[in-house]
Amino acid sequence: GQQLNQSPQSMFIQEGEDVSMNCTSSSIFNTWLWYKQDPGEGPVLLIALYKAGELTSNGRLTAQFGITRKDSFLNISASIPSDVGIYFCAGLKSSSNTGKLIFGQGTTLQVKP
Amino acid sequence: EAGVVQSPRYKIIEKKQPVAFWCNPISGHNTLYWYLQNLGQGPELLIRYENEEAVDDSQLPKDRFSAERLKGVDSTLKIQPAELGDSAVYLCASSLGTAGNTIYFGEGSWLTVV
Repeated sequence: GQQLNQSPQSMFIQEGEDVSMNCTSSSIFNTWLWYKQDPGEGPVLLIALYKAGELTSNGRLTAQFGITRKDSFLNISASIPSDVGIYFCAGLKSSSNTGKLIFGQGTTLQVKP
Repeated sequence: EAGVVQSPRYKIIEKKQPVAFWCNPISGHNTLYWYLQNLGQGPELLIRYENEEAVDDSQLPKDRFSAERLKGVDSTLKIQPAELGDSAVYLCASSLGTAGNTIYFGEGSWLTVV
């Protein structure tokens, strides 16, 4: 089963507001990935994080790899209607070359124009 | 550069019938994954290939599911016979290696078993 706790489960915000979501785990991960999934589509990679403490931006999106390597955060600034979708965090344990990606349960974002 | 390509995008079948999904990974990606995504949940790994070798199939229900990647490029995932509970999205993904390399997903094959 899944090992990542993602919160909040859903968010309903006004256009222009900032959004924050996070992912926590009892296990250490070597890589954190954030994906967005639109209805009827596969997950699309937003940001990849490879080092503890790393802070990476992609346009209005900013994500951080937690110092403990057990958590990660995604922030969206000045939300717009096209930000609507489901956001998934995913952690990768590279030890023993397993390459197994573990996903959170997802955060459903709705933006009111 | 083309992304991960999957087909069919949508499939509706009756229970007990077989179904097969095909995946073409990103060119040069030696690692290929099949994930299962149930409604309202994140994807979960079914099987991972390194070239043509299945290196992690611990989550694949082997009584009815099978997969192959004969030439280390394209892959096929089969379900026979399908059950109502198999209705889900089957996602294929690929990466260049596994040690911290980014994993890219296809659009998914959406299966409905009636």
